Amino acid sequence: RKEVEQDPGPFNVPEGATVAFNCTYSNSASQSFFWYRQDCRKEPKLLMSVYSSGNEDGRFTAQLNRASQYISLLIRDSKLSDSATYLCVVPPTLIFGKGTKLSVKP
Amino acid sequence: GAVVSQHPSWVICKSGTSVKIECRSLDFQATTMFWYRQFPKQSLMLMATSNEGSKATYEQGVEKDKFLINHASLTLSTLTVTSAHPEDSSFYICSASGQALVLGSPLHFGNGTRLTVT
Repeated sequence: RKEVEQDPGPFNVPEGATVAFNCTYSNSASQSFFWYRQDCRKEPKLLMSVYSSGNEDGRFTAQLNRASQYISLLIRDSKLSDSATYLCVVPPTLIFGKGTKLSVKP
Repeated sequence: GAVVSQHPSWVICKSGTSVKIECRSLDFQATTMFWYRQFPKQSLMLMATSNEGSKATYEQGVEKDKFLINHASLTLSTLTVTSAHPEDSSFYICSASGQALVLGSPLHFGNGTRLTVT
């Protein structure tokens, strides 16, 4: 099993839709989890940090399932500006996958 | 939030020359800095991990004599691409952490350097 795995997508959704991505991890001892978004030809930007069961910030909700070893990112009321690649990072691994590409259409 | 500044944002150089990229943590002390490289439509690839005052740890397949890393202070790390070739053209990104990652400190990324070797 890879250290971190994500569905590469692309996820093509209409504006206003709710979309969710999962990120599975292999290290059961991991204590912190991070979601980043990366726009084309830009650096990743921290979106959310998860240290316990989950975190919510506006339209974005991250949930942690320790038993099944995955974290999810839920985006409600998708905006065109949400189009990006979403990356999960699960320390201590610093290996990034290709992330999940989201495309929100008008 | 934590700020990491990377310079230059883009550089074009001739084959055979060396290019230095700087990565600075502006408002926190970065005990550890990481250097990544990203080719178009590919994922970020970790090149090396540098700790202040010690030698960098390179990932498998990354030539340490070609990609020189110096982490002389808690706020500055540099990556020098020596004798650059066109295949070194890529997007180089640094990141920094103020605490051990296992303690929950996220990575903060610089804005990246787009290197083009002609």
